[in-house]
Amino acid sequence: DQQVKQNSPSLSVQEGRISILNCDYTNSMFDYFLWYKKYPAEGPTFLISISSIKDKNEDGRFTVFLNKSAKHLSLHIVPSQPGDSAVYFCAASAGAGGTSYGKLTFGQGTILTVHP
Amino acid sequence: DAGVTQSPTHLIKTRGQQVTLRCSPKSGHDTVSWYQQALGQGPQFIFQYYEEEERQRGNFPDRFSGHQFPNYSSELNVNALLLGDSALYLCASSLIGRKTEAFFGQGTRLTVV
Repeated sequence: DQQVKQNSPSLSVQEGRISILNCDYTNSMFDYFLWYKKYPAEGPTFLISISSIKDKNEDGRFTVFLNKSAKHLSLHIVPSQPGDSAVYFCAASAGAGGTSYGKLTFGQGTILTVHP
Repeated sequence: DAGVTQSPTHLIKTRGQQVTLRCSPKSGHDTVSWYQQALGQGPQFIFQYYEEEERQRGNFPDRFSGHQFPNYSSELNVNALLLGDSALYLCASSLIGRKTEAFFGQGTRLTVV
């Protein structure tokens, strides 16, 4: 039962262009969403998050969009840089009960390659 | 400020053996969660510890157990190792009940032969 899905295993973009990574979820109880970036031999690094009460959150070159009716979120990276090349994971959390936010449900990841 | 630290970084064990992995959370965090990441997959939630008790558990067998100490550090124990337990084991720390990001350690790469 894959509650969080990233249907694109890989994405290749040119430096300076926009990278758009997509994520779909099925559990309507999820109310907090996060994107993590992961380099080989390192743990995931937090990028940006969004609460279900918002539909957009920006942080520098990174913007996350949430469409609750479609149960879909996306991460936009503008402009893309070669250093952004990594695996990107979408994750979701449900807040029912005080302990729940620590449990993250991850997608399978998308490998982003930014070409110079 | 040290982030989340895990030890060891790499480990090779034989089928049937037992293993213990260790994690120190980020300063100020009170909750530790453990994840298993198989090759080509996203991390899968194993369990979460808060106030020295297991609070939530994912779909993992009882061979996987854990512990949290008064200083918030944690251990993950896996008994009767199987070849399929070979994976990257990640520890994440966070604050209980807060809508904030979890911080991850670099992981322990476990290979079962």
